[in-house]
Amino acid sequence: EIVLTQSPGTVSLSPGERATFSCRASQSLSNSKYLAWYQQKPGQAPRLLISGASNRATGIPDRFSASGSGTDFTLTISRLEPEDFAVYFCQHYGGSLPGTFGQGTKVEI
Amino acid sequence: EVQLVQSGAVVKKPGESLQISCEGFGYTFNFYWIGWVRQMPGKGLEWMGIIYPADSDTIYSPSFQGQVTISADKSNRTAYLQWNSLKASDTAMYYCARIGPYYFDRDNAFDIWGQGTMVTVSS
Repeated sequence: EIVLTQSPGTVSLSPGERATFSCRASQSLSNSKYLAWYQQKPGQAPRLLISGASNRATGIPDRFSASGSGTDFTLTISRLEPEDFAVYFCQHYGGSLPGTFGQGTKVEI
Repeated sequence: EVQLVQSGAVVKKPGESLQISCEGFGYTFNFYWIGWVRQMPGKGLEWMGIIYPADSDTIYSPSFQGQVTISADKSNRTAYLQWNSLKASDTAMYYCARIGPYYFDRDNAFDIWGQGTMVTVSS
């Protein structure tokens, strides 16, 4: 089973700053495109931001971008908005299931 | 509008059985994989398993195999998560989520999520 490790665990930033999060897989993904990012706000269900390692989901602003391949993946928020303060999870899906999640990165003010 | 609507919060005692549900609206329910995700209080997301309602093909995470049963009723557009004997450690929020946005495709992310069902197990 692939283990995803996210870093940092928590990051303190201000609105307008750039945020970059890392997701590292314990082994190279069989298909590097099978990597997603989700946002979860307190008391809410997760929301899909990115699938296919770099494709924004419907309605996701272009300040969110992602990249990566193999074992190293990155989510970037170009300029933080107040509503972006949340927890972000990466997920490996498809191929050799189960679809594991990383432990999350919390973005706080 | 495409949405998944889950059953309400429940409080149960250890050893009791439970089934929670997830009903799909606004899309062809039978032809999209549906998954269940656990989130224990203050913790991260755990992939439990997925089911294809059209033929009930089911895949479990090894961590949850034998602990829960995932099923679906395609005539009612509803997926289920069931426990035969609850434990205190089953206390968590449970989300259902659709794998999308394409028909049949298991190799994609969870694009639509239910609102979650809080399960509390306490004596």
